[in-house]
Amino acid sequence: EAEVAQSPRYKITEKSQAVAFWCDPISGHATLYWYRQILGQGPELLVQFQDESVVDDSQLPKDRFSAERLKGVDSTLKIQPAELGDSAMYLCASSFEKGSTEAFFGQGTRLTVV
Amino acid sequence: AQKVTQAQTEISVVEKEDVTLDCVYETRDTTYYLFWYKQPPSGELVFLIRRNSFDEQNEISGRYSWNFQKSTSSFNFTITASQVVDSAVYFCALSDLTTSGTYKYIFGTGTRLKVLA
Repeated sequence: EAEVAQSPRYKITEKSQAVAFWCDPISGHATLYWYRQILGQGPELLVQFQDESVVDDSQLPKDRFSAERLKGVDSTLKIQPAELGDSAMYLCASSFEKGSTEAFFGQGTRLTVV
Repeated sequence: AQKVTQAQTEISVVEKEDVTLDCVYETRDTTYYLFWYKQPPSGELVFLIRRNSFDEQNEISGRYSWNFQKSTSSFNFTITASQVVDSAVYFCALSDLTTSGTYKYIFGTGTRLKVLA
C-alpha cells in the first residue's frame, strides 16, 4: 500500500542548531503539505506545495524555517536555528491533485529541542 | 473565519460502552468537507471519514457512526461498544479552499479517548 514516507521518525537537537526533515509523498501526488502539531493541539499548516511551487506559506516562520520541493516530488523542511518552542510533531501529507479533498499523512517526525 | 471546536479534551469510558465525540465548526463556504482522523500513540493520522456539506445523511461503518447536522454546524462521531484499541486522539477537521484552488485542513484541538478494560 502506498504511503507518505518521512524521516527521521525522532530527532533531538540542541537549541540554535540546524535540523532538517524529509518527506516523500505518495507517487503521483501533486500537492504536498507540512503541518506542525504542538503537544495537545491539532495540526496547523506550515506550508503547502502544488508541484514545485509554494501555494501557501503564510504560517511559516520564515526567519528560521524554510521548505523546498525542487523537483516537485520529495520535500525538505529546515529549521535554523532551532528554538525550544519548535519542539513538536512535524507531519507531512500529500494529495493527488489540485482539487483533491483527501490528504494522506505520514507518520511524522517528532522533534525535541533541548 | 474557519474554525473547528472539539470541546471535549479527554473522555474515559469502560470497554463496551458507547461514546460520542463532539465537533462544531464555523465556515464561510457553502461547499465544504468535514473529516475525522484518528491519531494512535504512534503518531500518524488515520483517515476515518469525509463528508460533503451537501450530504446530510448519517453514515455507519461497523462500530463507527457519524451524525452531520448543518443546522447546528455539528459533525459528531459515535463509537458503539468501544474497545481498548479505540484509545487514541481523534481529530475533526474542516476543508478550507485556498485562493490557489487547493484545499487545506483546519483541525480541532482533538479529543483523547481512553477505553479502559
